[in-house]
Amino acid sequence: QAVLTQPPSVSGAPGQRVTISCTGSSSNIGAGYDVHWYQQLPGEAPKLLVYDNTIRPSGVPDRFSGSKSGTSASLAITGLQAEDEADYYCHSYDSSLSPLFGGGTKLTVL
Amino acid sequence: QVQLVESGGGEVQPGRSLRLSCAASGFSFSDYGIHWVRQAPGKGLEWVAVMWNDGVNKKYADSVKGRFAISRDKSENTVYLQMDSLRVEDTAVYYCARALYSSSSFNHWGQGTLVTVSS
Repeated sequence: QAVLTQPPSVSGAPGQRVTISCTGSSSNIGAGYDVHWYQQLPGEAPKLLVYDNTIRPSGVPDRFSGSKSGTSASLAITGLQAEDEADYYCHSYDSSLSPLFGGGTKLTVL
Repeated sequence: QVQLVESGGGEVQPGRSLRLSCAASGFSFSDYGIHWVRQAPGKGLEWVAVMWNDGVNKKYADSVKGRFAISRDKSENTVYLQMDSLRVEDTAVYYCARALYSSSSFNHWGQGTLVTVSS
């Protein structure tokens, strides 16, 4: 059971906007630790998508955006494309600085 | 370019040992901590261990504490994960990933190596 809670699946049609939530607690996200997001395409290693809550690494399209408020964070994907179909994971830390992952969310593009 | 290359995976029986390697190149090895993260078949990501860039400080997940040991060879730019007393539930793809500081993102990952523990 992952400490950070994500919906198991989300879906949307091409061009639509979807959001993926990541809910933690006062011991992790709510304690001020940053949230990072990864995209894992089928059969591939995870790839950093958003770091420090809102920052996109070079090369990540601006269709991907992150936010954080209180004990939760969200990843929004606008202008959904077929190649966005993947698993998405959030990542933060607890008070002992042990990394925590969400359980992952499978995005299906209809 | 930045590269992390894992090796050493394979199939072993429960109770046996295996040593994984993570060879780093294309960046200043001494500036980064190296984490091991695993993913059981069809499951999510689980953090396993970290060796920090001082080469001394390390940390383990409770699920592997006392069985796994992480080490670092600075001269070879390689981090190792010695896995002893392996269990069926340790079956997973093991990734290494780099992090700049103790609460930062994992900004580069290797391709992973599969460990299968089965009788």
